[in-house]
Amino acid sequence: AQSVAQPEDQVNVAEGNPLTVKCTYSVSGNPYLFWYVQYPNRGLQFLLKYITGDNLVKGSYGFEAEFNKSQTSFHLKKPSALVSDSALYFCAVRDDRGSTLGRLYFGRGTQLTVWP
Amino acid sequence: EAQVTQNPRYLITVTGKKLTVTCSQNMNHEYMSWYRQDPGLGLRQIYYSMNVEVTDKGDVPEGYKVSRKEKRNFPLILESPSPNQTSLYFCASSFQGASYNEQFFGPGTRLTVL
Repeated sequence: AQSVAQPEDQVNVAEGNPLTVKCTYSVSGNPYLFWYVQYPNRGLQFLLKYITGDNLVKGSYGFEAEFNKSQTSFHLKKPSALVSDSALYFCAVRDDRGSTLGRLYFGRGTQLTVWP
Repeated sequence: EAQVTQNPRYLITVTGKKLTVTCSQNMNHEYMSWYRQDPGLGLRQIYYSMNVEVTDKGDVPEGYKVSRKEKRNFPLILESPSPNQTSLYFCASSFQGASYNEQFFGPGTRLTVL
C-alpha cells in the first residue's frame, strides 16, 4: 500500500543553520514525490518534485530535496534557514501505476520553526 | 490571476443540514481533488476527478458526494453532516492529472458541524 511517513512532528533550527525535514515513502510502482508548504491560514503551495533523473532536485525559496531509492527517502533540505521558512511542510507521493494515477498520499506534516 | 477559489471560507452548521462547498479553478485543469486536513493526520484525499463526468474515491469518501459537470467546478456535498466531518477542507487542481504534475490548492474552507 502507498504511504508517506514524516517521522518528526516538529523541527526547530536556528536562523542561518542548515535544515532537514525527513520523509520516507512506500509505493508499489515508481514514485513521484512532492514537497508542499503551508503557511498559517493559507492553502498548500508547491515547493518541488522528483519525477526521474538527478536525485537532487531544487525548488522554490532555496529548498532542495534528495531522492534516495535504496532508503525510500526524500528529505527536504536548505543550507541556511530563514525565520520566514517557519511553516508546516508536507511530503506527498503518487504512484506511477495506471490504476492509482489520481491518488496523492500525504504525510502528517512537519512543523518547522526557525528561531532568530 | 490563476487560482483555485473555494466558498464559503468558514461555515458553522448543525448535524444533518445539507451543505455544499464550491470549488472553482480558472486554469483549465482537467484534474481536481478534495482533501480534508485534521491535526495529526495530515491531508487525506476525499474524492478526485480526472476530467468532466469522471470521479473516483480517495481515502475517506464516506459521508461526501461530488460532481463534475463542468471542467472548472468541483463542488463537495455533505448530504447529512456529522460532527466528525468538522475539518479544514482543501480543493486542488492540476493540469492533465498526470502523476508528475503538481497541484494548485485553494485557500481552504473551515467547517464546523455542531
